[in-house]
Amino acid sequence: LAKTTQPISMDSYEGQEVNITCSHNNIATNDYITWYQQFPSQGPRFIIQGYKTKVTNEVASLFIPADRKSSTLSLPRVSLSDTAVYYCLVGDFFPNAGKSTFGDGTTLTVKP
Amino acid sequence: DTAVSQTPKYLVTQMGNDKSIKCEQNLGHDTMYWYKQDSKKFLKIMFSYNNKELIINETVPNRFSPKSPDKAHLNLHINSLELGDSAVYFCASSHGGVPETQYFGPGTRLLVL
Repeated sequence: LAKTTQPISMDSYEGQEVNITCSHNNIATNDYITWYQQFPSQGPRFIIQGYKTKVTNEVASLFIPADRKSSTLSLPRVSLSDTAVYYCLVGDFFPNAGKSTFGDGTTLTVKP
Repeated sequence: DTAVSQTPKYLVTQMGNDKSIKCEQNLGHDTMYWYKQDSKKFLKIMFSYNNKELIINETVPNRFSPKSPDKAHLNLHINSLELGDSAVYFCASSHGGVPETQYFGPGTRLLVL
């Protein structure tokens, strides 16, 4: 199993760029890296996914170095509504998905 | 139009009781999951289920059993509830292909007294 490690918490201010790094030293060849966002009293929500290099969508960017042992979620110009817990997930598709492991999550607090 | 729904939203019960949580998805996905999130927000997978293949997290007590009447439903039965079972339980589904994206339900908050 590819275990992941993330910072427990991060603080930021509105308008700043936030980078959250996830370490996954024993990532397997078939594993993808997925980030989820969770607001209080809600289920996690998909943000972005990648395999290598850089992926960008309307919400975030994901940077993955060549060795794939870590990944960085980048949130541009955060707002108060970005305050949430962010999870990194490393895993494959079913049936191996049953062995995927979520990181412990990073609680991002955006201040005015 | 909820993609993944769970019932009930809240469940308060006594130790030793047996309870069930229902999950339904209308996304046409063929893979479903159950997760447990404890008070520290750690999110742990319990089961994943694709058609008739079940993948069980070996740390899950056998008091927990998933049951899938059809591809759109994956229910969670819990026997002889214990205090430590108190948590939020999330159902999720995915297409099962590569790459995989999971869609989560709103969660069921279980409190065992």
